[in-house]
Parts: sequence; C-alpha cells; structure tokens
Amino acid sequence: EPEVTQTPSHQVTQMGQEVILRCVPISNHLYFYWYRQILGQKVEFLVSFYNNEISEKSEIFDDQFSVERPDGSNFTLKIRSTKLEDSAMYFCASRKAGYEQYFGPGTRLTVT
Amino acid sequence: GESVGLHLPTLSVQEGDNSIINCAYSNSASDYFIWYKQESGKGPQFIIDIRSNMDKRQGQRVTVLLNKTVKHLSLQIAATQPGDSAVYFCAERYNFNKFYFGSGTKLNVKP
Repeated sequence: EPEVTQTPSHQVTQMGQEVILRCVPISNHLYFYWYRQILGQKVEFLVSFYNNEISEKSEIFDDQFSVERPDGSNFTLKIRSTKLEDSAMYFCASRKAGYEQYFGPGTRLTVT
Repeated sequence: GESVGLHLPTLSVQEGDNSIINCAYSNSASDYFIWYKQESGKGPQFIIDIRSNMDKRQGQRVTVLLNKTVKHLSLQIAATQPGDSAVYFCAERYNFNKFYFGSGTKLNVKP
C-alpha cells in the first residue's frame, strides 16, 4: 500500500540555523500539507499546497517558513532561522481530490 | 525532562464496551469533518469523515454524528478493543483546503 514518507525521522539543529524537512507524498495525490504538533498538544495546520502554489496557510506559517515542490515527487518545508519554539513533530500529508488525507510518520525537530 | 503540554481528557472503557468521543468544532462555515486516530509516535490515521450535508455516517465499528446546530461532532466505537487505545482528534475543514484539529481525547481500553 502506498504511503507518505518523511526524512529525516529526527533532526537536531541549533537556534538560528536553517532546516529543510522532506516529504515524498503518495504519487497520484494532488494536495499536500504540512502540520506540526508540539509535544503533548494538538496537531496544528501550517500550509496546504495545490497546483504548485500555496492554497492556504495559517498564522503560524510566517516569513520564516516556505514550502517547495522541487521535482515531481518531493515536497519540502524550510524553516529559515529556527527558534526554540519550533521544536515539534512535523507531519506531511497528501490526498487526492475528494478523498481523505494520508499522513506521514513525521519528523521530530529539536532546536537547541 | 518533564514534558509540558495540554492535559488531554481521557476516556477509559472496558474491552467490549462502546465508546463515545465528543468534539466541539469552531467554525460554522466548516463543510467537512474528519476523525483521526493517533498512536504514540505515529502520524494521525484517518478513521471516518462526514460532510456538512449529513448528520450521520457509519463505517466498520465506527459511527460519526454531526450536530451543526451546536457545532458538535461525536465518534462512536462499537465493541472497543485494546487496539483502539490511542488519542482521537476531530478535524474540520474550511476555506476548501484549510484544516483545524481539536485538542484530542485519549482513549484507554482496559482488557
């Protein structure tokens, strides 16, 4: 069964550094998402992406964040200058039109 | 170190009993609602969904009820099993492609 994959599973970075989190959505899916989940808290929507552009973003998704689909398979989330409060699990998800989202296993980001 | 976060409401049920998990959503314009299950260390897993033009939808052992008047969603799990133990989140969609999750309920199934 196809699944969303994410790399790395755990990323440790120093405050102020740039990080890129990578996702490979399911191949015939058209809509792509990034979410984050701070430890013990709810899942928070960051951004949705369709037709090679951002379709929605939340208040969390400020100028420090960007997304890209550099080729036909990868979907990346970049945080330009990480802060301590960016430490969280980051989940990528994808879906077909009219269907539910499938989530990846997540990347744990630790900012020190 | 000690983790800091929201204290999740917990529902404890006996194996074989039915479970009902409730959720209040926030936006009356939301048109689509989903229930997810999240096991420790994993991403959310789709359980069942319902569109705003329906008030009930049934799946295998699960039923979702939607009350738009009071902006309330519930998930019923029949004959709860130990494998159902997890955190359950409801999510709502508005603006077509923006999803918001609720705070979650931890389901603890006692064998």
